Amino acid sequence: GAGVSQSPSNKVTEKGKDVELRCDPISGHTALYWYRQSLGQGLEFLIYFQGNSAPDKSGLPSDRFSAERTGGSVSTLTIQRTQQEDSAVYLCASSSFPRGKASYEQYFGPGTRLTVT
Amino acid sequence: TQLLEQSPQFLSIQEGENLTVYCNSSSVFSSLQWYRQEPGEGPVLLVTVVTGGEVKKLKRLTFQFGDARKDSSLHITAAQPGDTGLYLCAAPTFTSGTYKYIFGTGTRLKVLA
Repeated sequence: GAGVSQSPSNKVTEKGKDVELRCDPISGHTALYWYRQSLGQGLEFLIYFQGNSAPDKSGLPSDRFSAERTGGSVSTLTIQRTQQEDSAVYLCASSSFPRGKASYEQYFGPGTRLTVT
Repeated sequence: TQLLEQSPQFLSIQEGENLTVYCNSSSVFSSLQWYRQEPGEGPVLLVTVVTGGEVKKLKRLTFQFGDARKDSSLHITAAQPGDTGLYLCAAPTFTSGTYKYIFGTGTRLKVLA
């Protein structure tokens, strides 16, 4: 079956430009996450969508970052007025959210490598 | 703030050697996961441990959850070049009405043939 897909796989942009990163989650998964990974380090949580609930935006580093999820499926992460420190790999993950279970698996996309010059 | 510290940060070993990677926290977690990430790909779940003291084996990989559920270890026996990658631990948190995972700082493993 199809996994999580992300586009573009690579994006090079000039400082100050806006970029949009897209995530297509696994069909039927109600939860969607965006993470940022710098220099092959651990994952930094950005934002979380769960069903029709208000998203948890607590990880967004500044008001230049925003995300939306349309129709409970595709999500777009937008970075306005990009800065060099925004250069990183942006990972999207989705999961089902089985009630009553102590844990759940996140399925990750391959990521979008963003380079701001 | 809940943090997951992993050690070592980097590890380069020869094929056939054994190694152990650690994931530590001052917080107690209901469960803990280990993921492996290969270059150009997203992390893939290896295992979930949920009971203090639990040991799970996945071929040459042995995972243990600490008795107090604050730490975990991953032991690889007779490492192979295919084990090369970034190993991440992750644990669930519930804050401000949101249930989500935090990830560790990562251990980058390179196994030389």
